[in-house]
Amino acid sequence: KQEVTQIPAALSVPEGENLVLNCSFTDSAIYNLQWFRQDPGKGLTSLLLIQSSQREQTSGRLNASLDKSSGRSTLYIAASQPGDSATYLCAVTGGATNKLIFGTGTLLAVQP
Amino acid sequence: NAGVTQTPKFQVLKTGQSMTLQCAQDMNHEYMSWYRQDPGMGLRLIHYSVGAGITDQGEVPNGYNVSRSTTEDFPLRLLSAAPSQTSVYFCASSYSTGRPSYEQYFGPGTRLTVT
Repeated sequence: KQEVTQIPAALSVPEGENLVLNCSFTDSAIYNLQWFRQDPGKGLTSLLLIQSSQREQTSGRLNASLDKSSGRSTLYIAASQPGDSATYLCAVTGGATNKLIFGTGTLLAVQP
Repeated sequence: NAGVTQTPKFQVLKTGQSMTLQCAQDMNHEYMSWYRQDPGMGLRLIHYSVGAGITDQGEVPNGYNVSRSTTEDFPLRLLSAAPSQTSVYFCASSYSTGRPSYEQYFGPGTRLTVT
């Protein structure tokens, strides 16, 4: 059974720092991995999707990497800003159902 | 495009009442799904649909019904609400299944409280 874990559960950094969020999964037979952002009381916003054949994806200050063999993904946020404060969730899909298996999330606080 | 829309945003029900959570998307996505999000449990799949007329159960389907008569709409019905169904419900959609390039998009959620 696929399990997804995110470390750390919470992170507080001063504005301007570069940071890394970690995601690990137990079954490497995935179709893709998606990183989401969730603001308090809001829905999930898709940030990046990495297909199983890819190693990384970039969008602005965000860079996500994928190492299927080791069951790990990282989300790198460059030059963090207070507006980056949110919960970050990673999720993997595998098989025909498109079912997303979510991690428990990392709550990020960027202090001005 | 409005993307994925959900109504209502908030709802309070008494135990035993029934209601329907609405979900619609205007992206012509074949795949739609419902998740619930609970503290400490994360997001869990309730039901999903790979196209009009086709639905299937997810991880936590008990107490919920779905149908998919059109590509655009995927309502979730609570048959007899219980306090354990107090949660935030999210609808999601994507183009298809089994394609690694297709992102899934989420609606803003419905916060349901059952007293």
